[in-house]
Amino acid sequence: KQEVTQIPAALSVPEGENLVLNCSFTDSAIYNLQWFRQDPGKGLTSLLLIQSSQREQTSGRLNASLDKSSGRSTLYIAASQPGDSATYLCAASSGAGSYQLTFGKGTKLSVIP
Amino acid sequence: GAVVSQHPSRVICKSGTSVKIECRSLDFQATTMFWYRQFPKQSLMLMATSNEGSKATYEQGVEKDKFLINHASLTLSTLTVTSAHPEDSSFYICSGRFNYGYTFGSGTRLTVV
Repeated sequence: KQEVTQIPAALSVPEGENLVLNCSFTDSAIYNLQWFRQDPGKGLTSLLLIQSSQREQTSGRLNASLDKSSGRSTLYIAASQPGDSATYLCAASSGAGSYQLTFGKGTKLSVIP
Repeated sequence: GAVVSQHPSRVICKSGTSVKIECRSLDFQATTMFWYRQFPKQSLMLMATSNEGSKATYEQGVEKDKFLINHASLTLSTLTVTSAHPEDSSFYICSGRFNYGYTFGSGTRLTVV
């Protein structure tokens, strides 16, 4: 059974700092890995999706990497802004049957002005 | 593109009553819809997977008679919490699969009093 772990559980950084969020998964036979942002009491916003054959994806100040062999993914946020404050979730897709997602517990990011 | 509209966003109901949550895919056909539940400071836990025109598949420990899922069309899936109890109070989110990724509804905060 796939297990997804995110470290750290919470992170506080000053505005402008670059930061890295970590995600690890136990079963390397994934279909893809996706990073989401969740604001308090809200749904999920998709940030980046990395297919199993890809190594990284970039969107603006965000860069996500994937290393299937080590069971790891990272989300790099450059030049952090207070508006980046949210909980970031990573989710691995099993790729079997219904392609269901397994989520980590998330990293709560606070960017201090 | 690929928007899922979820309603209601918040609902308060009395113990013993039933509540229906709707998710509509606005600009794509969601042959598969996933339903998640999220407790405070926890990650999303998959409750069930629904496929258009067939019975939903429930995860272990989820009562199918309590959480009724209907996916009668390619654009609408509903979750009905029957005979709700305070322990059913949670944040419920639906998700539709499109292309290689997933798009999520904005969630429903259910409070049972």
